[in-house]
Amino acid sequence: EAGVTQFPSHSVIEKGQTVTLRCDPISGHDNLYWYRRVMGKEIKFLLHFVKESKQDESGMPNNRFLAERTGGTYSTLKVQPAELEDSGVYFCASSHGLSQYFGPGTRLTVT
Amino acid sequence: RKEVEQDPGPFNVPEGATVAFNCTYSNSASQSFFWYRQDCRKEPKLLMSVYSSGNEDGRFTAQLNRASQYISLLIRDSKLSDSATYLCVVNPPGGGSYIPTFGRGTSLIVHP
Repeated sequence: EAGVTQFPSHSVIEKGQTVTLRCDPISGHDNLYWYRRVMGKEIKFLLHFVKESKQDESGMPNNRFLAERTGGTYSTLKVQPAELEDSGVYFCASSHGLSQYFGPGTRLTVT
Repeated sequence: RKEVEQDPGPFNVPEGATVAFNCTYSNSASQSFFWYRQDCRKEPKLLMSVYSSGNEDGRFTAQLNRASQYISLLIRDSKLSDSATYLCVVNPPGGGSYIPTFGRGTSLIVHP
């Protein structure tokens, strides 16, 4: 069974540019989560989808971040415009129950 | 006080040693608890869930102490391959949304 996949694995962009991250969850998992880990800090929750609906987006830092999950399959997380403090590793996870399976992450560097 | 706290370590132990990590949480109504393992520059991987009665999986034992609000992970007969960061994850109570809170992780280094 394929695990959670994320694309790209790395992205380096300049401040002010736009970046879109993609996550493909495990097939059949209704729950999809986005997290971010800033260097030296703990992993922080960003938002949670159940199928195509946003169940909780309380962790989204500000309105420069937009997540979508059209059709309840893959999800995208767009950062526009990117700021220096957005640098970090963005993880996606999916679950059927409480146990979450993480993707390999996208390492975003904003210069 | 942080919601989930862990001693960052590193814990530096020889092969074969027994090592234990604790993780404290602030929300007494938290419902579910997990230990994840994260290798350098990799994603977290679920190691084990933590049940009220405690649970064991091979060399790993996890326990929950609700009264003192901490969970523990015990690793017996440490292997070199156990070297990693161990993340404590706590799910607070909440409607239909499970929003896990992560600790910063405890680093374990097992040396020959």
